This record gives sequence, C-alpha cells and structure tokens, in this order.
Amino acid sequence: QVRLKESGPRLVQPSQTLSVTCTVSGFSVTSYHVSWVRQPPGKGLEWVGAIWKGGSTDYNSALKSRLSISRDTSKNQVFLKMNSLQTDDTGTYYCAKHGIETTGIPTHYFDYWGQGVMVTVSS
Amino acid sequence: DIVLTQSPVLAVSLGQRATISCRASQSVSISSINLMHWYQQKPGQQPKLLIYRASNLASGIPARFSGSGSGTDFTLTIDPVQADDIAAYYCQQSRESPWTFGGGTKLELK
Repeated sequence: QVRLKESGPRLVQPSQTLSVTCTVSGFSVTSYHVSWVRQPPGKGLEWVGAIWKGGSTDYNSALKSRLSISRDTSKNQVFLKMNSLQTDDTGTYYCAKHGIETTGIPTHYFDYWGQGVMVTVSS
Repeated sequence: DIVLTQSPVLAVSLGQRATISCRASQSVSISSINLMHWYQQKPGQQPKLLIYRASNLASGIPARFSGSGSGTDFTLTIDPVQADDIAAYYCQQSRESPWTFGGGTKLELK
C-alpha cells in the first residue's frame, strides 16, 4: 500500500529555513520519482521541485535559488529545504509520487499524494 | 512557463453532465502523447489523480469521469454529476518543466 507522509514545523519565522520530510512506504524512492507541490491557503497548486529515482533533482526556476531537495534511501525519505522564507511561502506542502512511465516519453503525473503539512511563515 | 487557463467556477445540477475545460498557452502534446493530467481536490484534502495523459482513467476512479483533448485544448467530463463530485478540479501539464497547474475550477451545485 503506497503511503506518503509529510512532517515538519507548522510555524517558521520570516527569513528562516523550512525543512520538511516526506516518509514513504509501499514503494522505494530509488524506483519512482518524488515531487514537492505547495498550495497557498485558498489558492491553486504550484510544483516546487522533484528528485528523480536516480537521485538528481529538478527545481521550479522561480524557487531554485532557495531550494534543496535530497533523500535518504536507507530510510525511504525525501527532504525539502527552502531558505529565506517570506509570508507568501505560507501554505500546505505536499509530497507526491510520480506515476509509472509506460510510453517511453517522460510523463510526470502524480498518482499518490501525502496529506500535506500546513506551514505558516510569521513572526 | 506553460500557462494553463481554467474557468474558476462551473455550476451544474445533480445528474447532469459537467464539462471542465483547460487551455494551454502552447501545445502540451508530443507525437500522439498528450501530457495533460487532471486532479480532484476536496476541501481539507490532498489532490487525487483522476485522469492521466489526457484520457486515461486512474485506478479506482469511476467511469463517469472521462478526459479528452490534444494540443492546447483539453476537457474533463463528469457524467452524470453526483453529490460526491462537488470539489475543485485542476489540470496539470508535464510537457516541459516547470510543470504547471491550472488555477482550478470549482464545481458547484445549481
């Protein structure tokens, strides 16, 4: 059974660093890509970045300078770090598993999502 | 970045057909592969995959959901609409990074 669960602080001060952990079960992070997606309160979804099953990463260019995504394969965990947080970084942060590739063309849809962690940036 | 445009709200009656559209600022298809996907999100919940590659029903999703389209114009159809379908619906493209989502369409009851 595929599960993803995010954990991290609910409150972060402006200019500080956000650290969120995604712990997965039912699949290996060395077999499937994992992405981070965020959602400001009452607004839409924004793709943050991804870590490929091979370990390399891809980041949203709008956030790239502040982002780091890594993993611990022994614990089947993926980590998101975002620095220099501002109030507009407030929102729910989700990790999501990529679907299986069957066409030979990278498809990158998200077939399983964690429940998300709501992060508020405020002093 | 590829911009996806959705109408913010769609009002429907139970038992009727709902057609939700998504228009991309450039083609999201490669050969015959349409890199557009659809998600449902209910308040307080995470998004749920409904349709991948424009027309493929995700596992466990009822057959009253269907998707179509190619190039820049895509449609999610719900027929017939049930009370449990009242939610927000998002399209997402994976033609090029950064992968982007539409602004979402809230399905409401008339």
